[in-house]
Amino acid sequence: DGGITQSPKYLFRKEGQNVTLSCEQNLNHDAMYWYRQDPGQGLRLIYYSQIVNDFQKGDIAEGYSVSREKKESFPLTVTSAQKNPTAFYLCASKIGTANTEAFFGQGTRLTVV
Amino acid sequence: GENVEQHPSTLSVQEGDSAVIKCTYSDSASNYFPWYKQELGKRPQLIIDIRSNVGEKKDQRIAVTLNKTAKHFSLHITETQPEDSAVYFCAANDYKLSFGAGTTVTVRA
Repeated sequence: DGGITQSPKYLFRKEGQNVTLSCEQNLNHDAMYWYRQDPGQGLRLIYYSQIVNDFQKGDIAEGYSVSREKKESFPLTVTSAQKNPTAFYLCASKIGTANTEAFFGQGTRLTVV
Repeated sequence: GENVEQHPSTLSVQEGDSAVIKCTYSDSASNYFPWYKQELGKRPQLIIDIRSNVGEKKDQRIAVTLNKTAKHFSLHITETQPEDSAVYFCAANDYKLSFGAGTTVTVRA
């Protein structure tokens, strides 16, 4: 079954702890993206990667880090430096950076208490 | 970088009426404009897209128009049905994919 998978679906962490969200795709897509979704603010780009071993900051990268060691994997770490980490996080992938459809994972809802 | 603005933020229509959502973008290098629909608790899914060399595209009850000179594009849904109720996002793609803030559409029966 091909697609893009995020895990876990729900995640709870204590304030001050780092947490890593998983994103895996078996679509052979080069480009991968992380978005944060808050009510009324749409999808805001955190980081994106156009190719293995390369990634760029998006619009709200502060307090987050990523790696792209394998084509199929693009994990996102929410660090203790992120002031308001509670949100819905969506990962997406597409064939390239140009005119192609992006496919989304089912999302991870992170709650920091 | 690209900045995408979307209006309105909420839209309530009577079943059978039309719904129109408008977006503007800032980067003239953007050349691909997809629209996504997100139902409650689910992932966004592509419903229609348009490329910069096309002015209009239609798929059954959904159509999208693009004005590259004015840097705006619009989604039109005709003969709305209750299952059209969802959040709709526009996006613009240059070297990254930037989204608007979303429009919550409610179709009243």
